[in-house]
Amino acid sequence: SQQGEEDPQALSIQEGENATMNCSYKTSINNLQWYRQNSGRGLVHLILIRSNEREKHSGRLRVTLDTSKKSSSLLITASRAADTASYFCANGRNSNYQLIWGAGTKLIIKP
Amino acid sequence: DGGITQSPKYLFRKEGQNVTLSCEQNLNHDAMYWYRQDPGQGLRLIYYSQIVNDFQKGDIAEGYSVSREKKESFPLTVTSAQKNPTAFYLCASSIGTGQNEKLFFGSGTQLSVL
Repeated sequence: SQQGEEDPQALSIQEGENATMNCSYKTSINNLQWYRQNSGRGLVHLILIRSNEREKHSGRLRVTLDTSKKSSSLLITASRAADTASYFCANGRNSNYQLIWGAGTKLIIKP
Repeated sequence: DGGITQSPKYLFRKEGQNVTLSCEQNLNHDAMYWYRQDPGQGLRLIYYSQIVNDFQKGDIAEGYSVSREKKESFPLTVTSAQKNPTAFYLCASSIGTGQNEKLFFGSGTQLSVL
């Protein structure tokens, strides 16, 4: 399969704690994107990190990329109940612009 | 409001029936996509279109058809040849088709078989 993989598949934490999700991929990439999906809804773009970048921040989100290990991580700090959602990584292949999607991490924030 | 509108939200298909899912965008985006999402899996690309009157097959195009007669519209038809159509279908668009483009998604259509 050319799909990426996220781990863990599911994560349940207390509100206020930090949540870390990981994403691995198999081929060379041009960039890696993270999206959030609330249950039964469409996906929302969170952040894009290019292959020549190692870390990127957006509000409470921090994304890292390690191209030598073909992996990325998404950290959500000071989690809130509204962060409950599934999180997906997608990477752009070097050969064309189509995105390869992971199976997602389901994050549950307990109040 | 700018965005992507998918309809209907829920759709039921009988055996042997073709059904069409609607996707409209007012973002003035050139590229549009259809994805299929099954429980516990990532998104799989069905078809994409980079420009009006042109579209390309994705990874799982068999049993599906599309058209792109207008920039704003990219309807997906699930034909009777698609033997396992039950899934959540997502339409998306992007400004262009470069690898650094982010996708904007509609709210999805859940298709089920009666």
